Amino acid sequence: AQSVAQPEDQVNVAEGNPLTVKCTYSVSGNPYLFWYVQYPNRGLQFLLKYITGDNLVKGSYGFEAEFNKSQTSFHLKKPSALVSDSALYFCAVRDPYSGAGSYQLTFGKGTKLSVIP
Amino acid sequence: EAQVTQNPRYLITVTGKKLTVTCSQNMNHEYMSWYRQDPGLGLRQIYYSMNVEATDKGDVPEGYKVSRKEKRNFPLILESPSPNQTSLYFCASSAYRVINTGELFFGEGSRLTVL
Repeated sequence: AQSVAQPEDQVNVAEGNPLTVKCTYSVSGNPYLFWYVQYPNRGLQFLLKYITGDNLVKGSYGFEAEFNKSQTSFHLKKPSALVSDSALYFCAVRDPYSGAGSYQLTFGKGTKLSVIP
Repeated sequence: EAQVTQNPRYLITVTGKKLTVTCSQNMNHEYMSWYRQDPGLGLRQIYYSMNVEATDKGDVPEGYKVSRKEKRNFPLILESPSPNQTSLYFCASSAYRVINTGELFFGEGSRLTVL
């Protein structure tokens, strides 16, 4: 079974400071990992993904994420936060080797990011 | 413009009154899925469809039905809604050729309240 945990319900950061939103995962094999963002009253939008290769992946809006296999983590980062980054962030995992359910994407509970001016 | 369109966006109904939430995508995607979003629980998959006439249960299918008669449409049917189905619902789609590694495209969401 695959699962993902976002240990923080909310993260507050001052504008201009670096931000980190944490995510840890559990799968039986090598994971496919995703980050999505949800702005108020909108659907989820894809930010970035890790499939294979370089552990540091870059995505939309200046976000990046680092895959750490030993710590089973995939934390989302941005060097300098903007007020417009305030949103709900979801980490998601897919186990490509799980057989019949391998297309299923399992989402975390979400982390609310608030960037304070 | 590539998009997933859901209707209605907001709906208040009463227990037992059948309703349908429509979902349509214009990207010729084979894969479509329904999720519900609840505070503290994140997104949970209700049903998914790999292609026309191919649907399967997700994690929380009880109380829901779906159909996939056309590639672009994937309606969610609540035959007899109950208050515990009050939630925010999202439809999503993806191309089959990238389904394992590709991202999902989401609709704007449908907020359903069952009284």
